[in-house]
Amino acid sequence: EIVLSQSPATLSLSPGERATLSCRASQSVGNYLAWYQQKPGQAPRLLIYDVSNRATAIPARFSGSGSGTDFTLTISSLEPEDFAIYYCLQRYNWPLTFGGGTKVEIK
Amino acid sequence: QVQLQESGPGLVKPSETLSLSCTVSGDSVNSHSWSWIRQPPGKGLEFIGYISDSGSTNYNPSLKSRVTISRDTSDNQLSLKLSSVTAADTAVYYCARRGGYCSGGTCELDYWGQGTLVTVSS
Repeated sequence: EIVLSQSPATLSLSPGERATLSCRASQSVGNYLAWYQQKPGQAPRLLIYDVSNRATAIPARFSGSGSGTDFTLTISSLEPEDFAIYYCLQRYNWPLTFGGGTKVEIK
Repeated sequence: QVQLQESGPGLVKPSETLSLSCTVSGDSVNSHSWSWIRQPPGKGLEFIGYISDSGSTNYNPSLKSRVTISRDTSDNQLSLKLSSVTAADTAVYYCARRGGYCSGGTCELDYWGQGTLVTVSS
């Protein structure tokens, strides 16, 4: 099973600041890495798929990068609605696995 | 618009079988692959398994001996059965579609239900 490690566990930032979230895989996942956003009481929502492609209606302030085992989600300028938990997900190998999540909270 | 709605008992006794349904509207359970994911309270996400468009299933090895995922094409529903439950199975259970964003023969989870909390307790 591929283990995804996300860091930091919590990111305390102010609106307008840049957020950089990391996801590291225990082995290569190729380009099959996605990012999901989850708000309290809601299901996760797909933001980024195949490392760097934004899903429909996802704002351009969200971007993804990386390859192989190291990946980054960047939110260029935090909006109030972006404070949430972010998970990475790999679908390179079965079982699909999620990272432990990074909580982006208001400083 | 694709919508998914989970339903089932909110409380299950230890050692019994958890049974959930997921009603799909706006799409057919014969199309795409459909998944179950769970999230213990305050914790992360765990992929349980999926049923493909052809009806084949694949389960997380950690749960494989206890899980059954099936579909009812006449009712356009998915079902999840998890046997011999313990308190560790207490979680919000989500059904989700794998589709819409695909490459290399696999797809991301693009539509999710709102989730249903199942508590295992006597």
